Amino acid sequence: DGGITQSPKYLFRKEGQNVTLSCEQNLNHDAMYWYRQDPGQGLRLIYYSQIVNDFQKGDIAEGYSVSREKKESFPLTVTSAQKNPTAFYLCASTHPEREEYGYTFGSGTRLTVV
Amino acid sequence: SQQGEEDPQALSIQEGENATMNCSYKTSINNLQWYRQNSGRGLVHLILIRSNEREKHSGRLRVTLDTSKKSSSLLITASRAADTASYFCATITTGNQFYFGTGTSLTVIP
Repeated sequence: DGGITQSPKYLFRKEGQNVTLSCEQNLNHDAMYWYRQDPGQGLRLIYYSQIVNDFQKGDIAEGYSVSREKKESFPLTVTSAQKNPTAFYLCASTHPEREEYGYTFGSGTRLTVV
Repeated sequence: SQQGEEDPQALSIQEGENATMNCSYKTSINNLQWYRQNSGRGLVHLILIRSNEREKHSGRLRVTLDTSKKSSSLLITASRAADTASYFCATITTGNQFYFGTGTSLTVIP
């Protein structure tokens, strides 16, 4: 079955550490996105990529970095510069010519700073 | 902010009743989408309505769009306990920007 796989489901980070969240899709989608969701709130865009080897900052990119070396993969690194990283992180993808199907989301990674 | 806002923030109904939630937005859109999120999970796409459409149905879902008022509504008929979730609207603006609303938390009591 096609879909998006995010791993790990839960992640704990110590102060000052960088951590990388994985996002893999086998939907052959060109565009991929990272969102952050805080409790009781909507989604805020961190980074997005419309094509391999290209990505753009979203609304809250500070303290995060991404790469898009392969079409299937769009990992997100939460750096030590992100002062409040505890949140639920969602990866999504879409095909520009299939907008009727909307965005496909992964199941999310819950990151906690300890 | 161009982010949409859902109303109400929380809604609690009895099983079998209809649930209506509303979404307002600020800028011109190409289309508007509704998503569902179960607790601790990703979002699932429910339905898309284009800016030139006024109403759309999918199973027990009915979506309306009023571009003059910059608002949309999602109606879930004959609700079930399994409909308990958060519901988000998302707008695709004419500038191809994608914005999520703040969500409505729906609880359906068996």
